[in-house]
Amino acid sequence: DAKTTQPNSMESNEEEPVHLPCNHSTISGTDYIHWYRQLPSQGPEYVIHGLTSNVNNRMASLAIAEDRKSSTLILHRATLRDAAVYYCILRDSGSGNTPLVFGKGTRLSVIA
Amino acid sequence: ETGVTQTPRHLVMGMTNKKSLKCEQHLGHNAMYWYKQSAKKPLELMFVYSLEERVENNSVPSRFSPECPNSSHLFLHLHTLQPEDSALYLCASSQGVQNTGELFFGEGSRLTVL
Repeated sequence: DAKTTQPNSMESNEEEPVHLPCNHSTISGTDYIHWYRQLPSQGPEYVIHGLTSNVNNRMASLAIAEDRKSSTLILHRATLRDAAVYYCILRDSGSGNTPLVFGKGTRLSVIA
Repeated sequence: ETGVTQTPRHLVMGMTNKKSLKCEQHLGHNAMYWYKQSAKKPLELMFVYSLEERVENNSVPSRFSPECPNSSHLFLHLHTLQPEDSALYLCASSQGVQNTGELFFGEGSRLTVL
């Protein structure tokens, strides 16, 4: 799987937008970009995924660079409940079995 | 509540014990996974089952033995573990193992090996 690079940690104030960056310069044309997050004392949970176009759902937005070498997860208004480790993961659509391989992620702290 | 239930939530065992971790999913999925999360390390994929057949085994020592009797249940049998095996063991399920299949995780079983 192609590798992703994320900052180790970020901090945000409550009620403000948060932009979590992810670099994936070796991404291939068949790689989907997935984001998961892991809240304290819980298993990871799915946030969003995309291929080329920007995506929105009830949890977040995903902005994908035109060359696909980077992407940004956007939380529009951070709450204390959003404090978690956020993982950016590439999954190849070219082969059938593509299990999720996690990196170290970004630990997001939210300040009240 | 993710629809994936793991038991026990906490387990303490000696190196000579035999124990099992259980995972049950109520989502109608046909793929199940075991991940290991050690302190200060990324989640490591251990095993993948698709349609009750093991399709991936990531060089896991034989003291960890998975079992998938049906598509709703997954076990991890533990035997003669080492203290470095202490970790959070996470189970997940998905509909298929293809790239867009969202994984649903349980809350994990925290294992301590004395």
